[in-house]
Amino acid sequence: GAVVSQHPSWVICKSGTSVKIECRSLDFQATTMFWYRQFPKQSLMLMATSNEGSKATYEQGVEKDKFLINHASLTLSTLTVTSAHPEDSSFYICSARDLGRVSGELFFGEGSRLTVL
Amino acid sequence: RKEVEQDPGPFNVPEGATVAFNCTYSNSASQSFFWYRQDCRKEPKLLMSVYSSGNEDGRFTAQLNRASQYISLLIRDSKLSDSATYLCVVRGTSGTYKYIFGTGTRLKVLA
Repeated sequence: GAVVSQHPSWVICKSGTSVKIECRSLDFQATTMFWYRQFPKQSLMLMATSNEGSKATYEQGVEKDKFLINHASLTLSTLTVTSAHPEDSSFYICSARDLGRVSGELFFGEGSRLTVL
Repeated sequence: RKEVEQDPGPFNVPEGATVAFNCTYSNSASQSFFWYRQDCRKEPKLLMSVYSSGNEDGRFTAQLNRASQYISLLIRDSKLSDSATYLCVVRGTSGTYKYIFGTGTRLKVLA
């Protein structure tokens, strides 16, 4: 199947620092990527939809200035958690849809586990 | 009402048992439906898409009931390795690629 790669897998940082997470589609072009956050024992919550060459679309309640999204190419989207705080500690997962596939399923990156001390 | 609802479980079943999960969705115009499997602290992985006519993949059978707005997943001859959380995913209406996730149903297959 299509491959989506996410980096880093784990990150631990001090409160107040910024953390950048990369999401790459390795064998297909993705004009749209999705960023999710998952807290323990909860479902994935869509944070924002990343659009290549244009601004991301954020879900209600997600701070645009806090979670900066850049989708500069057809294979790369980045999520930057700015001035991270302990409550931002979570599992962040990106996904993309391969438009070359009729089936329409999402392919997920491996996820990035963020711990803010 | 949540857009996609699942019984969180856990479902504890013995090896070899048959287990079924249901998932209901609220938007009658939803277009695509999927079951994903998520292991602890890992990303979700596609288990199977769900088609209107129903589809089967080995021990797994998925059904879609548009009239009642639910999808189901049946697992036959459960294996220990089937223990995971099963996520129901519904894709939004035409023009949007928004995918809505259920909370997941946790399955534990016991030896």
